[in-house]
Amino acid sequence: KAGVTQTPRYLIKTRGQQVTLSCSPISGHRSVSWYQQTPGQGLQFLFEYFSETQRNKGNFPGRFSGRQFSNSRSEMNVSTLELGDSALYLCASSPSPTETQYFGPGTRLLVL
Amino acid sequence: AQKVTQAQTEISVVEKEDVTLDCVYETRDTTYYLFWYKQPPSGELVFLIRRNSFDEQNEISGRYSWNFQKSTSSFNFTITASQVVDSAVYFCALRQVYVPGTYKYIFGTGTRLKVLA
Repeated sequence: KAGVTQTPRYLIKTRGQQVTLSCSPISGHRSVSWYQQTPGQGLQFLFEYFSETQRNKGNFPGRFSGRQFSNSRSEMNVSTLELGDSALYLCASSPSPTETQYFGPGTRLLVL
Repeated sequence: AQKVTQAQTEISVVEKEDVTLDCVYETRDTTYYLFWYKQPPSGELVFLIRRNSFDEQNEISGRYSWNFQKSTSSFNFTITASQVVDSAVYFCALRQVYVPGTYKYIFGTGTRLKVLA
């Protein structure tokens, strides 16, 4: 079974731009979560989607948004990028919210 | 407050040594899950183990073993006869109910393990 895939793997943007990251979960997994990882803040939860519904959201500003499609693929969007948004964004999937999460390789975003 | 503490920021060992990574958690829930993940330089977090709060049996998987003690709120991870390929950042995580029907994962800050040849 293929693992979680994330695209793109690397991204460079400038302040003020917006960005969309994509995550394809493991086949059969319907729950997708997003995390931001930075050296200073560590791994922080962004949001969780299950059956196209956002079930859970972390403490991030409204510039961070996401959605999930009927095929369970998910996207997250960051608008008006700031330098502090530079991070590794990790997506994790699980069959359901109660089961173990499996992570993708992440998207490294650099904001200049 | 719910949190996960990994006090060891970085550990260096020589190949074939045993090493224990510490994890201490705080939660007010009676039902929760604990996890260990490995993050190699490639960035992907690799799932190692999940343990629920009602199962205090220690577990061994090859060179890996885990010691869960509710009395001390600890879930420590030991690698026996370490190898260079074990070099990575290891994260301990706590999953608990956020609001009914949803869960929240709280990750520790990670321990960077360097195994020297």
